[in-house]
Formats: sequence, structure tokens, C-alpha cells
Amino acid sequence: EAGVVQSPRYKIIEKKQPVAFWCNPISGHNTLYWYLQNLGQGPELLIRYENEEAVDDSQLPKDRFSAERLKGVDSTLKIQPAELGDSAVYHCASSLANGYNEQFFGPGTRLTVL
Amino acid sequence: RKEVEQDPGPFNVPEGATVAFNCTYSNSASQSFFWYRQDCRKEPKLLMSVYSSGNEDGRFTAQLNRASQYISLLIRDSKLSDSATYLCVSQEGNQFYFGTGTSLTVIP
Repeated sequence: EAGVVQSPRYKIIEKKQPVAFWCNPISGHNTLYWYLQNLGQGPELLIRYENEEAVDDSQLPKDRFSAERLKGVDSTLKIQPAELGDSAVYHCASSLANGYNEQFFGPGTRLTVL
Repeated sequence: RKEVEQDPGPFNVPEGATVAFNCTYSNSASQSFFWYRQDCRKEPKLLMSVYSSGNEDGRFTAQLNRASQYISLLIRDSKLSDSATYLCVSQEGNQFYFGTGTSLTVIP
């Protein structure tokens, strides 16, 4: 069974440019998470979806970050404009349902903002 | 204050040694706890859930102390392949909180 797929794996951009990350969760997983992970830190939740509904986006910096999961399957996270401090690894994770505890993480997108 | 606190280490232990990590959580209402393993430049993967009664999976033992609000992970007979970062996770309702991780290097 395929795991969580993310693309691109690496992205280097200049500050003030836009960037988008794509995630395809494990088939049948209703809950999708976007996490940000800085070096030496644990993942921090940005947004959580139950099907197509964003049920927790309290940690998403909405002035520059946006996300969508239009058909309740794959999802896109966008940053516009990117800032130097956005350099991090962006992980997507999915689980069968939020009450089912194990989250399966994708390999992440490593973003470098110059 | 962070929801979950861990000693970042690094822990450098010889092969065959026993090593223990502790993790504290701040919210007494936290319901569930987990240990995830993260290899260098890879994604976190679930190692084991932590049950109130304690649980064991091969060389790994996890324990929960609700009174003191800490979780522990014990690794016996360390292998070179155990070298990784171990992330402690607490669950409060629908929220998951990850610690910063504890780095372990097992030395030949």
C-alpha cells in the first residue's frame, strides 16, 4: 500500500516568492494534517482536515499561508509571499479518522527561502 | 510553556546498553500518549502507544505516570539501528502535541 505522497521533496525559492506543496494521503484516510518542523524541533500542527473541512487552522498564519482540500482527498498548502523564517520541513500526515490515533507521515517538503 | 518537554540529548550509548528517555506533559487532561521515531532527514513513524498499565514491545518498554505527568521509554540491548530521534507525543481531544525529540546514537 502506498504511503503518504508529497511533492516536491525539495524547494528553494527567494523571499517574497510564492510556493505550493502537494499531498496525497493514504487511500481511505479521512483526516489530513499539515505540520511544520524546524531543525531540532518536533512537528507543529498548521492545519487539520476532516474530509474537505478544515476543523483546526488556529496555528496557520493566515496572512500568508493558505490550504485547501477540495474533494476531501489530496491537499495543497501555499505560502505567499514566503519569508526567510519559513525555511523548514513541511510534513503532511493522514489517519483513518481523528479518533484513530496513528498518524502516517509523508516524507516532507524541505523548503529553503533565500 | 511547551505542552510536552523532552531532554534533547544527545544520548550516546554503546551497543548492548540500556537507555531510558523521559518526557513530561503539562496538561493533566491529556488522554493518550505515543512514542514516535524519526530517522535523520526522514519522517516520524509510530514506535508505540503508551498505555496506563505500561506496555512492552520486544526490547522497548513504555510507561505512563499520570500522577507525575511523565512518560518514559526504555530500550534494552541497544542496537546500532536504534540510532534516531525519539519524539514524545500527547493527545488532548483532537490535538496532538509533539516534543522536540531526544537524539540517540548507539556506538559500536
